[in-house]
Amino acid sequence: SYELTQPPSVSVSPGQTASITCSGDKLGIKYAFWYQQKPGQSPVLVIHQNSRRPSGIPERISGSNSGNTATLTISGTQAMDEADYYCQAWDSNIAVVFGGGTKLTVL
Amino acid sequence: QVQLVQSGAEVKKPGASVKVSCKASGYTFTAYYIHWVRQAPGQGLEWVGWINPNSGGTNYAQNLQGWVTVTRDTSISTVYMEVSRLRSDDTAVYYCARSPGISNYAMDVWGQGTTVTVSS
Repeated sequence: SYELTQPPSVSVSPGQTASITCSGDKLGIKYAFWYQQKPGQSPVLVIHQNSRRPSGIPERISGSNSGNTATLTISGTQAMDEADYYCQAWDSNIAVVFGGGTKLTVL
Repeated sequence: QVQLVQSGAEVKKPGASVKVSCKASGYTFTAYYIHWVRQAPGQGLEWVGWINPNSGGTNYAQNLQGWVTVTRDTSISTVYMEVSRLRSDDTAVYYCARSPGISNYAMDVWGQGTTVTVSS
């Protein structure tokens, strides 16, 4: 079955740029999706189809996907961005796969 | 507004079954797939399965096939997930979420989550 790998944690200083990676075999030929989850809350979609932002998601959140790696980038990171982030892709076009999640800490 | 509202928390004994509901409102129920995703305490997201509310077709995670059943009642815009033969490691928050389709689509709206606790 298909697997997605994320770093368990990423730290960033306020105002700096945070990058969270998601690796999978030939991930670049699939769509990558990203969700943000704050403690005690349901996940929220922040990036779909590699780089598209849903309505209401700030422009400082962006995504890319190439080769074996998708990347979520948060520019000008703020305290409110501290959360767990999960990447997601589709396996064989019918099954959903999540990465293990990355805890973003804003120091 | 678009909403998915789930049923309340459940406490079950090992070996029992649990049925969680997810009621959709604010959109055409049959136009979006409904997924179930679970999250064990302190762990990541695990996809459980999806249902096409229009056709009733389903697909489940391989490790949960035979343990989970997802159904729908189109007359009340509600999807159900039943987990049978519960074990302690089924303790989790269970979320429903919708997507416009499969393969190229994300889950754009999520329910509030239902906590299922399995304990003797």
